[in-house]
Amino acid sequence: EVRLVESGGALVQPGGSLGLSCAASGFAFKTYAMTWVRQAPGKGLEWVSTISGSGISKYYADSLKGRITISRDNSKNTLSLHLNSLKADDTALYYCARVRMGVYDACDVWGQGTMVTVSS
Amino acid sequence: DIRMTQSPSTLSASIGDRVTITCRASQNISTWLAWYQQKPGKAPSLLIFKASTLESGVPSRLSGSGSGTEFTLTISNLQPDDFATYYCQQYSTYSRTFGQGTKVEVK
Repeated sequence: EVRLVESGGALVQPGGSLGLSCAASGFAFKTYAMTWVRQAPGKGLEWVSTISGSGISKYYADSLKGRITISRDNSKNTLSLHLNSLKADDTALYYCARVRMGVYDACDVWGQGTMVTVSS
Repeated sequence: DIRMTQSPSTLSASIGDRVTITCRASQNISTWLAWYQQKPGKAPSLLIFKASTLESGVPSRLSGSGSGTEFTLTISNLQPDDFATYYCQQYSTYSRTFGQGTKVEVK
């Protein structure tokens, strides 16, 4: 079964940092680009970042560039997202998703999300 | 960034209705467009990619069309499982923006 399981979400103080992880199983992880998408409570979807299967190419939302880092460990089938200088606006459910084909494509498999809450 | 605008924001419909959701891109994205369905408390689910190709397992009463800057998602013979929020997403550029969503609710 193809599966993505996110973890690492937490309550963090403004200005803090957090690392999110996504464990992949059931498919050849290293052959797929992966994406993070977030959703603030009661709001729509916002693309955050995408990384190629090799990990060489990385893409970030302009609004978050400089505060986030995407990475992957293909030996452990794990995708990561590190968030710095967190603000209240970063409060959201963070989903990891598999890119269907190549780097520029739709996301065909989604995890259930991990919740990040930024509050003092 | 390419801006994606969906209309309407909310759509009230009945079982058996045919409904259409529109997604407009602020610049030409060819057919690099996907549609997703999201139900409350659940992750999004891919319905259509490349503007009109149905993802495996998606019922044929759903269809997508369009190219360039204007796209539509049509649901024929609306079923109870179709009441949800729908999002379009462009993946023409590195910054893959979503529309703001369209909620299909019971009339």
